[in-house]
Amino acid sequence: AQSVAQPEDQVNVAEGNPLTVKCTYSVSGNPYLFWYVQYPNRGLQFLLKYITGDNLVKGSYGFEAEFNKSQTSFHLKKPSALVSDSALYFCAVRDEYSSASKIIFGSGTRLSIRP
Amino acid sequence: KAGVTQTPRYLIKTRGQQVTLSCSPISGHRSVSWYQQTPGQGLQFLFEYFSETQRNKGNFPGRFSGRQFSNSRSEMNVSTLELGDSALYLCASSFGGLSTDTQYFGPGTRLTVL
Repeated sequence: AQSVAQPEDQVNVAEGNPLTVKCTYSVSGNPYLFWYVQYPNRGLQFLLKYITGDNLVKGSYGFEAEFNKSQTSFHLKKPSALVSDSALYFCAVRDEYSSASKIIFGSGTRLSIRP
Repeated sequence: KAGVTQTPRYLIKTRGQQVTLSCSPISGHRSVSWYQQTPGQGLQFLFEYFSETQRNKGNFPGRFSGRQFSNSRSEMNVSTLELGDSALYLCASSFGGLSTDTQYFGPGTRLTVL
């Protein structure tokens, strides 16, 4: 069975500092991993995904994520946080045998960037 | 390309009524999925349509139904509304609905049941 965990409900970071939002997963087979961001009263916006290849994936708005197979993790990172990065972040996973809709979302991590 | 659009953006209904939500996918996308988002349950999968056929279904009662038209636009219907149906309903589209595909989400319809 697929599962994904975001262990932190909230992450607080000062503007200009690096940020990390954690995600761990469990799937049978190869994992396909995604990060989405949600702003208030909006849908989910796609940030980046890992399917195969380079473990470091670069995405929108300066975000990147590192796939670590041995630790079954896919942490989201950004070298320098902006106040506008404050939002709700979702990690998601599906396995290689699933259709697009068979995607499991984490519970979300609220990122708060203070000026 | 225009993104996924959903109408209406906000709805207020009373218990027992029914509601229809609409979703227009990104041009060329044939897979449309629906999700319910609530603070307590997070994002839960409702169903997926591909080429006018329901391909997958989540664990929701039969009051929740959907359909897809030949132009890939999709509608979902909830009958006999309950207070617990209050949620943000999100539609997502992808090109072929494959495991490697990215799903792109619409802005959602906020349904409030009184």
